[in-house]
Parts: sequence; structure tokens; C-alpha cells
Amino acid sequence: DIQMTQSPSTLSASVGDRVTITCRASQSMTNWLAWYQQKPGKAPKLLIYKASTLESGVPSRFSGSGSGTEFTLTISSLQPDDFATYYCQQYNHYPYTFGQGTKLEIK
Amino acid sequence: QVQLVQSGAELKKPGASVKVSCKASGYTFTSYGISWVRQAPGQGLEWMGWISAYNGNAHYAQNLQGRVTMTRDTSTTTAYMELRSLRSDDTAVYYCARGEGQNDYWGQGTQVTVSS
Repeated sequence: DIQMTQSPSTLSASVGDRVTITCRASQSMTNWLAWYQQKPGKAPKLLIYKASTLESGVPSRFSGSGSGTEFTLTISSLQPDDFATYYCQQYNHYPYTFGQGTKLEIK
Repeated sequence: QVQLVQSGAELKKPGASVKVSCKASGYTFTSYGISWVRQAPGQGLEWMGWISAYNGNAHYAQNLQGRVTMTRDTSTTTAYMELRSLRSDDTAVYYCARGEGQNDYWGQGTQVTVSS
């Protein structure tokens, strides 16, 4: 199985900050990687797919990059609505594993 | 508009089975697969597997092999996930989502509680 490790597990930041979340894969993979945002009690929301493609309707302050074993999600200027938990998921090899999540908190 | 509507909350005893449904609408059902993801209380997301709505082929997480079956009914555009031999650690919210990966639409979630 491909293990996905996110860092940090928790991130404290302020409105307007630029933040980056990293997702590392246990083995090299193609760009079949997605990023999701989840708020408490809600279903996940797709933000990014194929590592860097922005899902329709998602604000352009979200961006994804990376290849091989290291992928990043960047939020260029945090907005109040962005405080949530973020997950990466690889869909390159079965089983399609998620990272453990990064909780983005208000500083 | 695309919608995935799941069946209601379930309370089951250990050893029992549960079958969760996911009714799809607003798109051509057979053009996309349906994935199932669960989330235990306070925990992260766990991929359970997915089924092709086109031909019914399914892939399951290895830790659930033998206990889980995913099916679909194209006449009612509904996908199903059955989990057998339930244990307390199967207590979770179960989600269906459109697509094999890059899941763009999600159901509202179904709470399954396993307790004696």
C-alpha cells in the first residue's frame, strides 16, 4: 500500500496568511492525487485533482503542486471560511489511501 | 443538479450486517463509479472501495475483503454498500461519492453505530 503522510498535523494561522500543507507518498507515484477540505459534520469537498487541477468553483487562492513522492496544497491568502481539515488522497494504486489530515486553526 | 442521497442512520448489534444505499441523480449514472469512504468518530477518512456503475466491477480495501460488498442497480441509479460481521470499530459515518478517485460529489453521510 502507498502510505500518505501529511505535515503538519495541525497548523495555526491568521486570516491573510499564506499556508502550505505537504503530503508525502511512501513510494513514487504519478499525479493521481487529490486534495479535500472537510468541515465538522460535513462531507469532504474536492479542491484539487490530478495534483494541480483546480476543481470547478473552488477559489483560485487554492493551488496544488508536486510530483513523485511530494505534493503540496497552498492557500495564498487565508480567508475565514478556509479554517477546516484538509486531506490528500492518492488514487494511483489500490487501495486509494488518504493522508491523516491537517487541521487548519485560527491563530 | 448532481445529488447523492444516502439512507438513514443505523444502529446494529455486533455480528450483524448493514446495507447503506446511495441514490444518484442529475447525471448519467453509468458514466461514473461510486466510491465509499468512512470516518470513525474523531478520525480521518478511510477509503473502503469503489464500484463501476457501468459494469459492476468493484475493488475493495484489503482490510475489508470478505466483509464488504458493493453493488449497484442501474434501473434505480442506486449504489449499495453492505458490511457484514459488524464490530464496534465499524462505528463510523459512511459516505458515498461520485467517481473512482477525484470524488467531486458526495452523499450526506450515513451514521452506522455498532453497539450491544
